[in-house]
Amino acid sequence: AQSVTQPDIHITVSEGASLELRCNYSYGATPYLFWYVQSPGQGLQLLLKYFSGDTLVQGIKGFEAEFKRSQSSFNLRKPSVHWSDAAEYFCAVGPPYNTDKLIFGTGTRLQVFP
Amino acid sequence: GAVVSQHPSRVICKSGTSVKIECRSLDFQATTMFWYRQFPKKSLMLMATSNEGSKATYEQGVEKDKFLINHASLTLSTLTVTSAHPEDSSFYICSAAHPQGTEAFFGQGTRLTVV
Repeated sequence: AQSVTQPDIHITVSEGASLELRCNYSYGATPYLFWYVQSPGQGLQLLLKYFSGDTLVQGIKGFEAEFKRSQSSFNLRKPSVHWSDAAEYFCAVGPPYNTDKLIFGTGTRLQVFP
Repeated sequence: GAVVSQHPSRVICKSGTSVKIECRSLDFQATTMFWYRQFPKKSLMLMATSNEGSKATYEQGVEKDKFLINHASLTLSTLTVTSAHPEDSSFYICSAAHPQGTEAFFGQGTRLTVV
C-alpha cells in the first residue's frame, strides 16, 4: 500500500537550533517527493521537491531535504530555525512523470521558542 | 510561481443549505484539479479528482451526491457541499495541476462551518 509516515507529530525547538523532520514512504516505484508548509488557517506552500538527480535538494526559506532510496526517506532539514518557521509541515508523494493526486503524511507541527 | 485562488476563504452556513467553493487557476490552464479535505489536526485527504469537461473521479468513501464537483472550464473547478451538516465542517483545499510541470499548486483553502 502507498503511504507516507511522519513519525513526529509535534516538535519543539529553540530559535537558532537545527531542525530535522522525518518522512518515510511506501510506494511501488520511486515517487516524486514533496515537502509543504501550512501556516494556521492557510493553504499549502511548497518548500521543495525531488524528482530525480542530486539527492540533496534545496528549497525556499533555507530548507533542504535529502532523498535516501535505501531508507525510503525524505527528511527535511534546516540548520537554524527562525520563529517564523513555526507551522505544520507535510511530506507528500506522488506518481513519477505525472501530476496526479498526492498522498500526504499526517504532518508535523513545529513550535519554535525564542 | 503559478497561482491558484480559492474562494471563499471562510464560510458559515446553516444546516441543510448548500455551499459552493470555487477554485481558479489564475495564470495557467488546468485540465485537472484536486479537492482535499483536512480534518482538525489531521492530514489532507483527497476527496476527488476534477477533470475539465468530464465527470469527477471520487475517492472511496466520498459521497458524490453530497460533494458535487464541476470543472466547466480550464481555469475553474467548483465544489458544492449539498445539504450541509455540522459534520461537513472542515477545511477544504483545492489544487490545480500545471500542464507544463510535474507539480500541482494549492489554493489557500476554505474553512467551512455548518451551524
